[in-house]
This record gives sequence, structure tokens and C-alpha cells, in this order.
Amino acid sequence: EAGVAQSPRYKIIEKRQSVAFWCNPISGHATLYWYQQILGQGPKLLIQFQNNGVVDDSQLPKDRFSAERLKGVDSTLKIQPAKLEDSAVYLCASSSLLGGESLSYEQYFGPGTRLTVT
Amino acid sequence: AQSVSQHNHHVILSEAASLELGCNYSYGGTVNLFWYVQYPGQHLQLLLKYFSGDPLVKGIKGFEAEFIKSKFSFNLRKPSVQWSDTAEYFCAVNIKAAGNKLTFGGGTRVLVKP
Repeated sequence: EAGVAQSPRYKIIEKRQSVAFWCNPISGHATLYWYQQILGQGPKLLIQFQNNGVVDDSQLPKDRFSAERLKGVDSTLKIQPAKLEDSAVYLCASSSLLGGESLSYEQYFGPGTRLTVT
Repeated sequence: AQSVSQHNHHVILSEAASLELGCNYSYGGTVNLFWYVQYPGQHLQLLLKYFSGDPLVKGIKGFEAEFIKSKFSFNLRKPSVQWSDTAEYFCAVNIKAAGNKLTFGGGTRVLVKP
């Protein structure tokens, strides 16, 4: 089965510019996640979608970050305007319900987009 | 809010040495526990997971982890490492009551010298 696809793989922009990342999850996966991974740290969840609805965006800096998942498949994450501290790898992951009442979803990660803000 | 701490940021060892990476989390309720690995130039992939049952879980490539509820720990082990185990290892926790949100530790970079 095809994995999670992300593009672009690398992006360099100047501060105050805008940037957008794209993610295509594994076919049939209802849940999609965007994580930010700053160098030397573990990934941090930015936003979680269930189909095309937002489940958790409590750690998304909403003054500059936005995300959407139209039609419950692909998703885009946008930063406008970018700051130096946004330099990070942005990871997309997807998961599907493993069954019953359990919320034990396994998440599959894409290769990430490495953003450098200068 | 829950947190996950990994005890070592960097580990260097020789082939055939044993590996143990520590992971502690701070949440008293029911959790699911994961170890992810990121090989150089590759994406994060699941190494093993614990949902319930036997607290000693076995994953891919000879790795295992033990869940000790009383210590809030989920340490990763491998009896004899290979050069190909050079990677960054992340412990992660999700809380069943919090909608599958994964909280990651800071990661441990492991370098295995041939």
C-alpha cells in the first residue's frame, strides 16, 4: 500500500513570506495529523482532522497557521507570515480506526517537509 | 498535560553491545505507548506498541520494550545492536481519553560503531 505523501520535501523562504505544505494520506485513513518537529525535539501535534472536521487544534498558532482538509482526503497546512522560529520539519501522519471502542490508532508518517525560514 | 521524557539525548555504542533507552511519561490514567524509529534519511516508522496485556512487547528487528505501570516507564531494549540500528528513537504516548493525540519525547540519537 502507498504511504503518506508530502510535498514539497524542502522549502526555503524569507521571514514574513507565506508557505503551504500538502499531504495525501494513506487511502481510506479517516484521521490526519500535522506535526511540527523542531531540530533536536520530538514531533509536536499541530492539528488533527477526523475526515474533514477538526478534532484538536489546541497547539496550532492560529494567528499565522491554518490548515484544511477539504473532502476528507488531502490536506494543506499554511503559514502566513512565517517567522524564523517556524523553521522545522512538518510531518503529516494518518491513521484508521483499529476496531471497537479502542482509540488505539497506529499513525503512519510521511517523509516530512523541511522548512527553513531566513 | 501529559509529558514524555527520554533520559538520553545521545548514545554511542559498538556493534553487539546491548541497548536500553529509557522513557517515562507523566499521566496516571490509561495510556497507549509507542516507540518510533527514524533511520537516516527516512521517515518515522513504528518499532513497537503497547495497548494492553503482556507488558513485555516485542517489535521489529529484535527490539522489545517493557511497560512498568508503577514506574510510568516504557523502556526500549535490544540485546545486541547492529550498525544498521543507527537512528533516532522516539517514545510516544497517547491517552485514550484524549482522542489519539500522540505526545512524543525529545528523542535519543543512537550511533552504533561498526
